[in-house]
Amino acid sequence: EAQVTQNPRYLITVTGKKLTVTCSQNMNHEYMSWYRQDPGLGLRQIYYSMNVEVTDKGDVPEGYKVSRKEKRNFPLILESPSPNQTSLYFCASSLRGQGYNEQFFGPGTRLTVL
Amino acid sequence: AQKVTQAQTEISVVEKEDVTLDCVYETRDTTYYLFWYKQPPSGELVFLIRRNSFDEQNEISGRYSWNFQKSTSSFNFTITASQVVDSAVYFCALSEGQLGNQFYFGTGTSLTVIP
Repeated sequence: EAQVTQNPRYLITVTGKKLTVTCSQNMNHEYMSWYRQDPGLGLRQIYYSMNVEVTDKGDVPEGYKVSRKEKRNFPLILESPSPNQTSLYFCASSLRGQGYNEQFFGPGTRLTVL
Repeated sequence: AQKVTQAQTEISVVEKEDVTLDCVYETRDTTYYLFWYKQPPSGELVFLIRRNSFDEQNEISGRYSWNFQKSTSSFNFTITASQVVDSAVYFCALSEGQLGNQFYFGTGTSLTVIP
């Protein structure tokens, strides 16, 4: 089944404790992206990747890191999480970037930073 | 400045009524793509439609229709004869073809269909 998977689905952590949210897609998509969803703010893009080893900042990259060493994986790293990073996070992928194709979204990861 | 504006935060309609969700976008690009996504209460994001800037034809898919007007930079979404299953948050999004590879989402419209 074609899908985008994220792990974990739920995470409660404390300020400053490094964490990684994994994202994997099995559709051989070139474009992958991370978003955060907050009430009243919609979805905001954190980072995106046009292909392996190519990543770029979205609108809200502060406090986050990403890497794209393999085409299928695009982990989101929070080196020192803070309470303002409490949010619902979505990973997405599409065949190509620049809007040529629709994005497929993962199920979301609800992160709480205490 | 917000690239995608969804001015309607929440809308409530009675079942079988028609409802239109507004989306206004802003871009300097001549090639761009517009999208609508649905987020039901279960939380997943479901793709509904993609349009490119060169295709202004309106589209109809069952009870759903979309009105793309470049003159007013709008890409509105109409649900005809609404049903309870249409209750969801709907997001409009923009991707610019030449000026970058980012996606810009609106803040969403929460639609409640009352039985």
